[in-house]
Amino acid sequence: DQQVKQNSPSLSVQEGRISILNCDYTNSMFDYFLWYKKYPAEGPTFLISISSIKDKNEDGRFTVFLNKSAKHLSLHIVPSQPGDSAVYFCAARDTGTASKLTFGTGTRLQVTL
Amino acid sequence: DGGITQSPKYLFRKEGQNVTLSCEQNLNHDAMYWYRQDPGQGLRLIYYSQIVNDFQKGDIAEGYSVSREKKESFPLTVTSAQKNPTAFYLCASSIGPQSMNTGELFFGEGSRLTVL
Repeated sequence: DQQVKQNSPSLSVQEGRISILNCDYTNSMFDYFLWYKKYPAEGPTFLISISSIKDKNEDGRFTVFLNKSAKHLSLHIVPSQPGDSAVYFCAARDTGTASKLTFGTGTRLQVTL
Repeated sequence: DGGITQSPKYLFRKEGQNVTLSCEQNLNHDAMYWYRQDPGQGLRLIYYSQIVNDFQKGDIAEGYSVSREKKESFPLTVTSAQKNPTAFYLCASSIGPQSMNTGELFFGEGSRLTVL
């Protein structure tokens, strides 16, 4: 039972253009959503988060949008840079089990020159 | 510098052997976690601990064991009962019970275990 889904395993975007990574969830009890970035053979690093009471959070080139009615969130990267090439994981926190995150399967982003 | 240290980075094991992965943090975080990453399956929670001398099973705890005798340390033992142990293992920590924060986890560099 995959509660957090990232349906696109990979995405290729040209440098300077917008990258949009999508994430869908099924659990209405999720109260926080986070995006992590991961390079090969390294641990994930936190990128940006959003509370379920908000619909947008922005940090520099990164913006996360949350649509609660659709149970959908997206990460926008503008402009995309070659250093953004990595695997991006969407994660969600359940208020009922507040000590753990549920992760999606990840989307591999490749930013081409 | 503060952070999470996992060792070893690479480990090979013969079938039937137990192996212990080390995780140490100097962030003064209360909570620690072990995740496993497999291709196409994201990160799955094995065990977590919110406080010293206490830990809970995650989603895939079978074949694993942990201990939390010190705040800084949360070792994971992969036992011979784990049917498919070859994977990338990630240790993480957070400030405290995630009801008190946004849920941000700080991860170590990972340990890749290969069973021969």
